[in-house]
Amino acid sequence: GAVVSQHPSWVICKSGTSVKIECRSLDFQATTMFWYRQFPKQSLMLMATSNEGSKATYEQGVEKDKFLINHASLTLSTLTVTSAHPEDSSFYICSARDQTSGSFFSYNEQFFGPGTRLTVL
Amino acid sequence: SQQGEEDPQALSIQEGENATMNCSYKTSINNLQWYRQNSGRGLVHLILIRSNEREKHSGRLRVTLDTSKKSSSLLITASRAADTASYFCATALDNYGQNFVFGPGTRLSVLP
Repeated sequence: GAVVSQHPSWVICKSGTSVKIECRSLDFQATTMFWYRQFPKQSLMLMATSNEGSKATYEQGVEKDKFLINHASLTLSTLTVTSAHPEDSSFYICSARDQTSGSFFSYNEQFFGPGTRLTVL
Repeated sequence: SQQGEEDPQALSIQEGENATMNCSYKTSINNLQWYRQNSGRGLVHLILIRSNEREKHSGRLRVTLDTSKKSSSLLITASRAADTASYFCATALDNYGQNFVFGPGTRLSVLP
C-alpha cells in the first residue's frame, strides 16, 4: 500500500521556538494532504487541508498564523508550529490521498503517517 | 466538529473472544471507514464501507452499516493480544475525503 512518512518522529523544544514537521508521500503523488492533531486519549481532530500549490484550508478555531502549512510539491507538505507553547504539545499526524491511482475508490482512503510527538517545555 | 461517536469507550476482553465496537454518526455520509491505532503510533486503515453497502468482511473483521440508524459496527472475531489498540471510525461526507471526521475511539484491551 501507499506509504506516508513524517519527520521527525518526536521533538522536544523550548517555549517560543518554532518547529517544522514534514509529511512525505513516498510512492505516490498527493495533491491534497491533511494535518491532524491528537491529544492524549482523544481522537484525531482535523486541523487543516494542505493543497499543493495553493493556500491551506484551516478548520474553525485553528490559527493559520500559528500553524503554517506549505505544500510545495506533490510529495511534501510541511507544518510549522510557530512560537510553540506547552499547550501545543500534542501528537501531529498527516495523511494523504493517492491521487494517481486509477481506481475511483482510492479517493476515499487516506494513508496516514506515523505521527510526530511534539513536547514543548 | 466530531460526527462519529464510538461506544464503548473502552473494552477489555479475553483472547479468543469476539469484540464488537459501535459507531454512530449524525449526518448523511458517502462512506465510513475504520482505523486502528496502536499506542503512540499512526493509523492503520482497516476497512471502508460505502453508504450503499450493508456489510463487509476482511479476515477476522466484519463491518456493518445501517444508514437508517446512522450507525456502524466493527466485529473482531477470535481476538488476539495483538489486537489491543484504539479503534476509530471515520465518516466521509463526500467522495474526495475533504470532510473526514473521526469518532472518539474505542480502546480495546485483549488479555492473554
